[in-house]
Formats: sequence, C-alpha cells, structure tokens
Amino acid sequence: SAVISQKPSRDICQRGTSLTIQCQVDSQVTMMFWYRQQPGQSLTLIATANQGSEATYESGFVIDKFPISRPNLTFSTLTVSNMSPEDSSIYLCSVVQGENIQYFGAGTRLSVL
Amino acid sequence: KQEVTQIPAALSVPEGENLVLNCSFTDSAIYNLQWFRQDPGKGLTSLLLIQSSQREQTSGRLNASLDKSSGRSTLYIAASQPGDSATYLCAVRRDTGFQKLVFGTGTRLLVSP
Repeated sequence: SAVISQKPSRDICQRGTSLTIQCQVDSQVTMMFWYRQQPGQSLTLIATANQGSEATYESGFVIDKFPISRPNLTFSTLTVSNMSPEDSSIYLCSVVQGENIQYFGAGTRLSVL
Repeated sequence: KQEVTQIPAALSVPEGENLVLNCSFTDSAIYNLQWFRQDPGKGLTSLLLIQSSQREQTSGRLNASLDKSSGRSTLYIAASQPGDSATYLCAVRRDTGFQKLVFGTGTRLLVSP
C-alpha cells in the first residue's frame, strides 16, 4: 500500500492569505488527487494532477483559487489562495495503486479566521 | 450522475454488538466499491475493496458485500469494540476507464463500552 505524507497537518490562517499543502508519496504514481472535506460533509474531488501536464479541475473549482503543481511522480502541492472562512476544511491528497485501490494522506486541517 | 447514500447517518451501539452499515448507489455501472474509515479530524483508512465481479470481501471482523444489480453494499462489523468508533464512508468508481471516486455521505458510529 502507498504511504502518503502531507504537510502541514493543520494550520490556522488569516483571510486573504494563501497556504500551500505538500503531498509526498513513497512510490511513483501517475495521478495524484486532491480532495476537500468541508465540516460535516463527505469528500469532494478538487482536481487530478498528472506529472508534466496541467491539473484537471472538477466543476466548481478553478486554477486561480487552487493552483496545483506536480513536478515529479512522487510529489504534488495544492495552494489555497486568497483564503476566506468558507475555505476552512480538511484537504486530502490521494493516489491509486494496485487494483484501483485508493489511498489517502492524513489530511491538512485548515481553519481560516 | 452517480449518487451514493449511506444509511443510517449515525449509529450508537453497546460494545459487543454485531452491526450492519448500508451503502446504496444509483448507477450500477461500477468498477469497484471501497469502504473507508475516518477518525475525527483525520484522513481516510482503506478497509475493504470489492471489485464489480466480486460478491464480498472479508478482513478480520469486517465483511463487505456487494449487490451490483440492486445498487447496494453492506459493511458488517462483528463483535464491535469502542475502537471501532469512527465515520465509515463508502465510495464507488465507474467502470469506464479511470473515473473518480464518488463518496457516500458517511455513517458515524459510536460503540460504547
């Protein structure tokens, strides 16, 4: 199974600022996924990140708000830009391995004041 | 559009009880179904994955079944323990190439000593 490390594990930020979340996987993967979990809600896919190409964003999410980098096959970053209290959520990095088994990092718990 | 529903939304049981969590999905054209556990404020831990061709999977005290034609899956937990207290999420993946996971709404389980 994949081991996924996310940093930071949690942060408290002021509105209008930006936060970059890092995701490191212990093996090479083609696609990495970023999810958001708002308080009391289930998970929603933000975007899929492929190495060497632009990320593919889901409906309702845009690159200006959530820019993603994918410099190599084991690493990705998600930036939450110009934050507002509505961005307070858990952000999760995820990969697929084996027989399409999905694995998740421990998540980044973001609070925006 | 695939929709995934989990019933009940919350469940409280005394230690030692056997229990069943339900997951239903509207589009039976799935590739696989995965059950996850999420502890408060944490990421997701994969519990069981059932391929579309399978009827059930077992891991320790957990047994997951799949009835694709009726759009249902159940997670059976035997001899529940306080450590089983968590939110349980099911998620389905469509069968046409790689598709994103669609998550259910979750069942919050509390097992009392």
